[in-house]
Amino acid sequence: AQTVTQSQPEMSVQEAETVTLSCTYDTSENNYYLFWYKQPPSRQMILVIRQEAYKQQNATENRFSVNFQKAAKSFSLKISDSQLGDTAMYFCAFSRGSGAGSYQLTFGKGTKLSVIP
Amino acid sequence: EAGVAQSPRYKIIEKRQSVAFWCNPISGHATLYWYQQILGQGPKLLIQFQNNGVVDDSQLPKDRFSAERLKGVDSTLKIQPAKLEDSAVYLCASSLVTNEQFFGPGTRLTVL
Repeated sequence: AQTVTQSQPEMSVQEAETVTLSCTYDTSENNYYLFWYKQPPSRQMILVIRQEAYKQQNATENRFSVNFQKAAKSFSLKISDSQLGDTAMYFCAFSRGSGAGSYQLTFGKGTKLSVIP
Repeated sequence: EAGVAQSPRYKIIEKRQSVAFWCNPISGHATLYWYQQILGQGPKLLIQFQNNGVVDDSQLPKDRFSAERLKGVDSTLKIQPAKLEDSAVYLCASSLVTNEQFFGPGTRLTVL
């Protein structure tokens, strides 16, 4: 079974600064995907960024980037130029890429990020 | 493009009562998921459908929870009878054959 661990229950960052959220995972799979989802207060969950395990290059999406360390099973999210709208719960998630249960998401417990004006 | 729709958005019931949630996925999405998100935790998969067939319901408490997806489109999740520990947000998500899931706004259930 896969596990996803987010060790930072809460974090805060000043507006316009950079923050990094941590995530580690455990799996014996070779073909898998990693995700960061954002869940704003009272709003629905949306995908922030996705990383395919077979790709060595770290994924980037505008102000969001990841540091994917496959050997260490680490997948951190960096948010640059933080904005007030980035305030949300952030969930790290894992899915298998093939076989039984593929594409099902296993989530961490989340990190509550507050962006301070 | 319309997103995943869920109703009701909020529901308050007493324990031992029954409740049903409805989900309408994004048009054309063959795969549908139901997740349970307890306060302070990440979502946990309850059941996965591919079209109108069940792919995985291993984490669904089948003594009280049931789900169906008629004609491979809309889905309903039912709890009967509800327990206090069922208080949670119930999320529906859908996807194409790719692995990106799109989530609905959720139904917040409070069991008193």
